[in-house]
Amino acid sequence: GQQVMQIPQYQHVQEGEDFTTYCNSSTTLSNIQWYKQRPGGHPVFLIQLVKSGEVKKQKRLTFQFGEAKKNSSLHITATQTTDVGTYFCAGPRGATNKLIFGTGTLLAVQP
Amino acid sequence: DTEVTQTPKHLVMGMTNKKSLKCEQHMGHRAMYWYKQKAKKPPELMFVYSYEKLSINESVPSRFSPECPNSSLLNLHLHALQPEDSALYLCASSHQNRADYGYTFGSGTRLTVV
Repeated sequence: GQQVMQIPQYQHVQEGEDFTTYCNSSTTLSNIQWYKQRPGGHPVFLIQLVKSGEVKKQKRLTFQFGEAKKNSSLHITATQTTDVGTYFCAGPRGATNKLIFGTGTLLAVQP
Repeated sequence: DTEVTQTPKHLVMGMTNKKSLKCEQHMGHRAMYWYKQKAKKPPELMFVYSYEKLSINESVPSRFSPECPNSSLLNLHLHALQPEDSALYLCASSHQNRADYGYTFGSGTRLTVV
């Protein structure tokens, strides 16, 4: 079945350092979504990418969708303590609105 | 209103109890979802409702019974659960054909089965 893997599982950075998480799907995706879940919280939608090679920015966050639409990345520049949480990519299974979540990357930021 | 509201926030139940989880949204979303999330794991899809009809059941045991009374409400009825069913249960909603807005999740119900 469809699998969505993320690396690394866990990253610990000093405040001000950059951070990147990578997402890889076993199948081609029509779109990729990114969510952030704070400790003790619930997933919050960040962005969706649809086009091959698409790049979108939200302040210090840069999202990319791979040319083959099977991988994606999230890069955070100059991390802050407010960036702490688990970042999930998610993609639809086939032509449905069944959203399958990646394994997640937990980001810890030391002040 | 841009929220999904879930009640209760916490629930402790015995294995012989019957309880219900409730979810409500007033964003006009016509797709609603139940996810289960264990600690340090991603959310796992359980059920999908589309226009108040159950469209996807991810082979969930019958001790979990979903219900969608109307376009704003989603319930999850629980009966004879096992301790391994203890988890965070998340409700979400989305525009049926507008995935570019993503899913809106509720804050979840933390369920403990004793």
